[in-house]
Amino acid sequence: RKEVEQDPGPFNVPEGATVAFNCTYSNSASQSFFWYRQDCRKEPKLLMSVYSSGNEDGRFTAQLNRASQYISLLIRDSKLSDSATYLCVVIDNFNKFYFGSGTKLNVKP
Amino acid sequence: GAVVSQHPSRVICKSGTSVKIECRSLDFQATTMFWYRQFPKQSLMLMATSNEGSKATYEQGVEKDKFLINHASLTLSTLTVTSAHPEDSSFYICSAAGTITDTQYFGPGTRLTVL
Repeated sequence: RKEVEQDPGPFNVPEGATVAFNCTYSNSASQSFFWYRQDCRKEPKLLMSVYSSGNEDGRFTAQLNRASQYISLLIRDSKLSDSATYLCVVIDNFNKFYFGSGTKLNVKP
Repeated sequence: GAVVSQHPSRVICKSGTSVKIECRSLDFQATTMFWYRQFPKQSLMLMATSNEGSKATYEQGVEKDKFLINHASLTLSTLTVTSAHPEDSSFYICSAAGTITDTQYFGPGTRLTVL
């Protein structure tokens, strides 16, 4: 079983839609969680950290569910510019980073 | 946010040559730097983790004699692909963090093409 798993998508949604991605992790002792965004042929960029209490940044909301071992990213009012691949990153209890394979989002006019 | 640069951004070389890629943290001290490789339409694959002043820790399956990593200062790490072959063609990305648990900030990547 992979340490971190994501649905590769693609998720094809119209502008203005709300879309959510999940990312499951296998190590229950994992400590830190992040969402990164990667545009085609570019490096990943930090989108947001994921806190136990959940956090929101504009149209983006990240949540952590420790009991079920997943993190989620919710995007409201999707924009064309949100089209990208979204990577989840999990740091385990040995401070090792694990990247998900990414979920591709296509926002269409 | 923290800025990480990489140089060169693109390199084309002949098979058998060695290529050096530099990764610099411009506005913070990076205790730890990471080197990744990404093949088309695939996720990032961690190659090695390097801490300033010590030997890099390589992931399973990554040849340390082929991918030489030097992390000589808190702002610079280098990856040298020795005797490059066409199968080494890939997108190489570095990232830097203040400590091993801090957020990673990524460089813009280096696209290597070996002919």
